[in-house]
Amino acid sequence: KAGVTQTPRYLIKTRGQQVTLSCSPISGHRSVSWYQQTPGQGLQFLFEYFSETQRNKGNFPGRFSGRQFSNSRSEMNVSTLELGDSALYLCASGQGLNTGELFFGEGSRLTVL
Amino acid sequence: TQLLEQSPQFLSIQEGENLTVYCNSSSVFSSLQWYRQEPGEGPVLLVTVVTGGEVKKLKRLTFQFGDARKDSSLHITAAQPGDTGLYLCVGQNFVFGPGTRLSVLP
Repeated sequence: KAGVTQTPRYLIKTRGQQVTLSCSPISGHRSVSWYQQTPGQGLQFLFEYFSETQRNKGNFPGRFSGRQFSNSRSEMNVSTLELGDSALYLCASGQGLNTGELFFGEGSRLTVL
Repeated sequence: TQLLEQSPQFLSIQEGENLTVYCNSSSVFSSLQWYRQEPGEGPVLLVTVVTGGEVKKLKRLTFQFGDARKDSSLHITAAQPGDTGLYLCVGQNFVFGPGTRLSVLP
């Protein structure tokens, strides 16, 4: 079956702009979680959505937000971009809420200039 | 706040050597997972350990969960270039260790 699909794979933005990233989970998976990966901070949890509701949240500012649609597809949005937001953004899908194996996409690499 | 530490941070070895990487915490975890991330890809699950003292083997990889469920180790026997990647330990509630970046040279 198809894996987790993230779009776009690469994008370049300038400071102050906003960005929306998309994640399509594995069919049948209801949980989607988002992560930021940087060389300095490693992989950090942003939030988890399950059945269209945010269920868990990491320690990121309110500029980072997300949503999940009825078909389990999820989007995350970062507003007022800062240079430090440059990172690989990964999403993962899972069958249950905060449990079990995470299936990761290949990520969206964001560069903020 | 639960934290996971991993050591070493970087490891470069020759093909055929053995190695062990460690994942430690001051907190008790109900389970720990190990993932491997190869360049340009997302992490892929290797194993989940849930019982203190548990040992799991996956071909040349051996995973151990500490008796107190505060630490775990990953031992690779006769490393191969295909083992190259970032090894991440992950606890419940989305707690990620910083990773061990392994490079196996042919």
